Amino acid sequence: GIQVEQSPPDLILQEGANSTLRCNFSDSVNNLQWFHQNPWGQLINLFYIPSGTKQNGRLSATTVATERYSLLYISSSQTTDSGVYFCAPRRVGNEKLTFGTGTRLTIIP
Amino acid sequence: AAGVIQSPRHLIKEKRETATLKCYPIPRHDTVYWYQQGPGQDPQFLISFYEKMQSDKGSIPDRFSAQQFSDYHSELNMSSLELGDSALYFCASSLTGTATFGPGTRLTVT
Repeated sequence: GIQVEQSPPDLILQEGANSTLRCNFSDSVNNLQWFHQNPWGQLINLFYIPSGTKQNGRLSATTVATERYSLLYISSSQTTDSGVYFCAPRRVGNEKLTFGTGTRLTIIP
Repeated sequence: AAGVIQSPRHLIKEKRETATLKCYPIPRHDTVYWYQQGPGQDPQFLISFYEKMQSDKGSIPDRFSAQQFSDYHSELNMSSLELGDSALYFCASSLTGTATFGPGTRLTVT
């Protein structure tokens, strides 16, 4: 199956800082989603981004499908941004999303 | 907007017991997925249904079974529960693209 690696595994930042999270995947994909798992365990969909760039407030994401990676940018971090961020691509010809190993983000006031 | 509904939200069972988890997808979504997330792990795919037919299968133990009913709700049945089955179980639904996840059922096996 598709291999999905995320970096860094852990990130600790001061409130107000910016960050870039990376997701590398091993196969061609026709879907990629970024999720935020909050401390209560809920998986919140951030972006559906099989290619290109999207922005939503302080968050933006870019997927370069031909080079098999995606980036999630978080600007002006807030404590509520803390949690685990997962990318989950779907391989071409496949049904399921495969989750990466996640990046645990901790924002310190 | 309607979301994916899962019940129960929390479940405590003893070893060797049986558990049934329910999922109500977003109306008109044609695909349902089940995922298992152990402590400190990423969600692992179990099984999916497209228009009520099983469409893909992951590392789902033989003790587990799932089905999707005529009203599109889905159930995950787990028998002979083991301590290692303690996890967060997510259901998700989609319609050509974005998968939306439910709040999960936290299963604790004692």
